[in-house]
Amino acid sequence: SAVISQKPSRDICQRGTSLTIQCQVDSQVTMMFWYRQQPGQSLTLIATANQGSEATYESGFVIDKFPISRPNLTFSTLTVSNMSPEDSSIYLCSVTTGGASVHGYTFGSGTRLTVV
Amino acid sequence: QKEVEQDPGPLSVPEGAIVSLNCTYSNSAFQYFMWYRQYSRKGPELLMYTYSSGNKEDGRFTAQVDKSSKYISLFIRDSQPSDSATYLCAMSAGGGNKLTFGTGTQLKVEL
Repeated sequence: SAVISQKPSRDICQRGTSLTIQCQVDSQVTMMFWYRQQPGQSLTLIATANQGSEATYESGFVIDKFPISRPNLTFSTLTVSNMSPEDSSIYLCSVTTGGASVHGYTFGSGTRLTVV
Repeated sequence: QKEVEQDPGPLSVPEGAIVSLNCTYSNSAFQYFMWYRQYSRKGPELLMYTYSSGNKEDGRFTAQVDKSSKYISLFIRDSQPSDSATYLCAMSAGGGNKLTFGTGTQLKVEL
């Protein structure tokens, strides 16, 4: 399965600032996904990042708040913009492994963000 | 009502016990069912994957899917302290569809 390197692993940020999270995969993948995991809540998909096209955002998430870049098949970034304490969460990137019939997703270790 | 419901626990069991973890769901379109294990400060890792109804066994782990009841289970036999983690169920409607996760059940296996 793919190996994902995600950084930073954690950060404490001031409200109103932005943080960019990087996700590097050791193999080429078509689709990369960004999730948010808030305490006591399920993983929530923020957006799907496709190489060569704009990211597809889920309901409740907008590009101005969570801009995503996908410059090639092994790398993506998620920016959390104009942060508020409500953005404190764990952010995870994920890629699919195997073919279309296999629904295993590999996750990075996550970025633990605290906004103060 | 959430699409996927999962008891958050925490669930504490003695070493060697049989553990039963469960999720219910409301979307009848879900066809693919997964269980992920997440250790503290780590990302989720895929544990079991099942398509449609039925059972699947892998070592000490057994996944069951009952689509008629919209109910899935994960059984862990001979539980070990190393099994202490949060277990998340996840499901999707088909190829390329997004995953919908439960909130996760925190399990602690005590010596």
